[in-house]
Amino acid sequence: DADVTQTPRNRITKTGKRIMLECSQTKGHDRMYWYRQDPGLGLRLIYYSFDVKDINKGEISDGYSVSRQAQAKFSLSLESAIPNQTALYFCATGEGANTEAFFGQGTRLTVV
Amino acid sequence: QKEVEQNSGPLSVPEGAIASLNCTYSDRVSQSFFWYRQYSGKSPELIMSIYSNGDKEDGRFTAQLNKASQYVSLLIRDSQPSDSATYLCAVNIKGAQKLVFGQGTRLTINP
Repeated sequence: DADVTQTPRNRITKTGKRIMLECSQTKGHDRMYWYRQDPGLGLRLIYYSFDVKDINKGEISDGYSVSRQAQAKFSLSLESAIPNQTALYFCATGEGANTEAFFGQGTRLTVV
Repeated sequence: QKEVEQNSGPLSVPEGAIASLNCTYSDRVSQSFFWYRQYSGKSPELIMSIYSNGDKEDGRFTAQLNKASQYVSLLIRDSQPSDSATYLCAVNIKGAQKLVFGQGTRLTINP
């Protein structure tokens, strides 16, 4: 089983719908991240969390919200999906400051 | 100014040659730097980390860090077609303690 698991792997949804992407990890890491990837734009940080009570906005948080339900779970919500939120979304975890991130398999989201 | 910048390429290199990938960053006090490789449709995977000025070698890969110039690079020696991928530079921004990525450089190794 993967250490960082994202569900669903693929999703097509309609404009205006609410959708949640889920991430769970078995690595025991405190830090969790949500990134979005668009062609030619690399990985852009949406939200990140140091622990259950510490959640921070990244560079592109507008239109997204997150919930850290437990140390091992970090979900990303799109309250009202729009087509320009069509992208590949990655969850990642990290052990602490100055450490690398470990990625989930990604969720390909299409908003029509 | 973006926090982490890379030349998006594409970069094309003949098989067996050295591929050189570059990255600059804006936060002077950043302390940790990473290179990830990402194949199309797959997750990024870590290939190198570097924390101190100078060179760090791992097999065919060498990471170079120059904190004074705020510059980090990755050299791939004896490039192979299997090295064709997008390479992402990542920097831990110390103040905010967040991991920020560049836009990635798409590398193609031509047989």
